[in-house]
Amino acid sequence: AQTVTQSQPEMSVQEAETVTLSCTYDTSESDYYLFWYKQPPSRQMILVIRQEAYKQQNATENRFSVNFQKAAKSFSLKISDSQLGDAAMYFCASQEDSSYKLIFGSGTRLLVRP
Amino acid sequence: DAGVTQSPTHLIKTRGQQVTLRCSPKSGHDTVSWYQQALGQGPQFIFQYYEEEERQRGNFPDRFSGHQFPNYSSELNVNALLLGDSALYLCASSMGRGAGYEQYFGPGTRLTVT
Repeated sequence: AQTVTQSQPEMSVQEAETVTLSCTYDTSESDYYLFWYKQPPSRQMILVIRQEAYKQQNATENRFSVNFQKAAKSFSLKISDSQLGDAAMYFCASQEDSSYKLIFGSGTRLLVRP
Repeated sequence: DAGVTQSPTHLIKTRGQQVTLRCSPKSGHDTVSWYQQALGQGPQFIFQYYEEEERQRGNFPDRFSGHQFPNYSSELNVNALLLGDSALYLCASSMGRGAGYEQYFGPGTRLTVT
């Protein structure tokens, strides 16, 4: 069964510093996609970054980057130069190529200290 | 360009009642997925509609049903409401027939069952 695990319920970072959120997943398929979504208090889920499993190069989007370790089934999110607006719930999600559903982890709450 | 919209924003129902939630996808999108997000948890996939048919379903009872209209908008119906159905219901739209496409989420409908 496809699973996603986020073992950090809450993380805290000083403004302008760097923080890494952890995620591990399990899937029996060789083709799949991984995502990080941000959910601020407004509730609207926003895609932060996307990674295709067949690509070895780690995805980056401005201050956001991932460390994709396929053999270890690990997909961590690094946020550089943290800003107050980064404070939110962050969800890791996976999607198998044969499926249409996203499987989400339980989320990590990120606090940003001014 | 309007994003994904959902109505109503909040809803309070009594056990045993029936509820209908509505979703309009992002312009250009033809696929709608529904997720249930219980408090403090990650979203769980209910089902996905494409070409007015349910394409994939998660582990939800038959009390949960849906519909997609020719204009790609969608409804989620829940019959015989239980207290455990209290949650945030998220609609997500995407385009394309395969996996891996970004799913754009709406702001959700908060359902409270008393």
